[in-house]
Formats: sequence, structure tokens, C-alpha cells
Amino acid sequence: AQSVTQLGSHVSVSEGALVLLRCNYSSSVPPYLFWYVQYPNQGLQLLLKYTSAATLVKGINGFEAEFKKSETSFHLTKPSAHMSDAAEYFCAVSGGDSSYKLIFGSGTRLLVRP
Amino acid sequence: DAGITQSPRHKVTETGTPVTLRCHQTENHRYMYWYRQDPGHGLRLIHYSYGVKDTDKGEVSDGYSVSRSKTEDFLLTLESATSSQTSVYFCAISGWDGYNEQFFGPGTRLTVL
Repeated sequence: AQSVTQLGSHVSVSEGALVLLRCNYSSSVPPYLFWYVQYPNQGLQLLLKYTSAATLVKGINGFEAEFKKSETSFHLTKPSAHMSDAAEYFCAVSGGDSSYKLIFGSGTRLLVRP
Repeated sequence: DAGITQSPRHKVTETGTPVTLRCHQTENHRYMYWYRQDPGHGLRLIHYSYGVKDTDKGEVSDGYSVSRSKTEDFLLTLESATSSQTSVYFCAISGWDGYNEQFFGPGTRLTVL
């Protein structure tokens, strides 16, 4: 069965600092991986997706993520945090027998300090 | 933005009453999903549909039923609401591009007293 673990339910950074949100997955088949962002009182919006075309994936709002098969990781990064990045971020996996489902991590809330 | 609406957006109801939430899409996508979101749990799949009148259970389906009589509408029914079903409910759609990119609605906040 596939699963996703997001390390850290809350991450706090200063404005302008590096953002690093961690995601590790478990999958017996080559996975498809996603990062979604949720702003307060809104639905989820796709940030970026890994579909095996390239290991370094660039998304919206300056975010990127790197697929590392040897580490079963798909960490989300942004070089310089902005106040508007404050939100909750979810990592998700699909593929194989569960390709019609997305399995979500429990989420990481990003706080950006002025 | 994908054309997905959910109604109602907020609802307060009492234990034991039936509740129906509606998801409407204008994208003509084949797959539709209902999730619930609770603190510390991320999103958990309740039910999903892979076509008109074709539905299946997700990981937290007890106490919920669904129906899809038209491509554009997917209904979630709580047959007898309980306090444990207080949550935020999200609908999602997917056109099945091979890797299941899903688009989400704005959510319905349900409170069961």
C-alpha cells in the first residue's frame, strides 16, 4: 500500500529565508507525486507534480521539488519565503493499483515571520 | 480555475438528521471524489465515482452514501449525522490524464451538534 509522511506539522521561517518542507513516500510501484497548497478557508491548489519526466520539478509561485528515488523523498523548497506563502501544504502520491486515488500526507503548516 | 462548486458552503445540523452535500462540475471530467479534512489527518477519501452510476468506497466510507446520476453532479449523503462527522468536506474531479491530477472545490464546513 502507498503512504506519505510529512515531517513537521508546523514549520516557521523568516521572510526571505529558505523554505524546506519534507515529504517521504512509500510505494511498491513508480509513483506519481504531488504538492498541493491550501490557503485559509479555501480548497487545495496544485503547486507541482512529478510524473517521471524529470526529477526536478518546478511549480507555481517559485516552488520546486526534487524526486529522489534512493531516499523515497519529494521535498518542497523555495529559495526565499514571502509572507504570502503562509499556508498549509500537502504532499500526495498515486500510482499502481491505487492510481485512481490520491493518498495524502497529514499536512505541514508554513508560518512566515516578518 | 476548474469549474467546481459545492453547496452548501456551511451547514449546521443536529445529530440524527440526514444531510446531503452537492458537488457540481462544468469540466465534464469522468472521475469525482469526496474527501473529508480533519486536523492531523490530511484529506481522507470517503467515496469516489468513475462514471455515471459507478461509485466505490474510500477509506472512511462508513455512515456515508453517494450518488451520481449525471456527469456533472456528485452527491454525498450522511444518512444519520453524528458529531464525529463534523468536518470540512471537499469534492475533487479528475479527467484521468494517467497520473490522476485532481482539482478541488472550495469545501463545505459541516457542524453536527
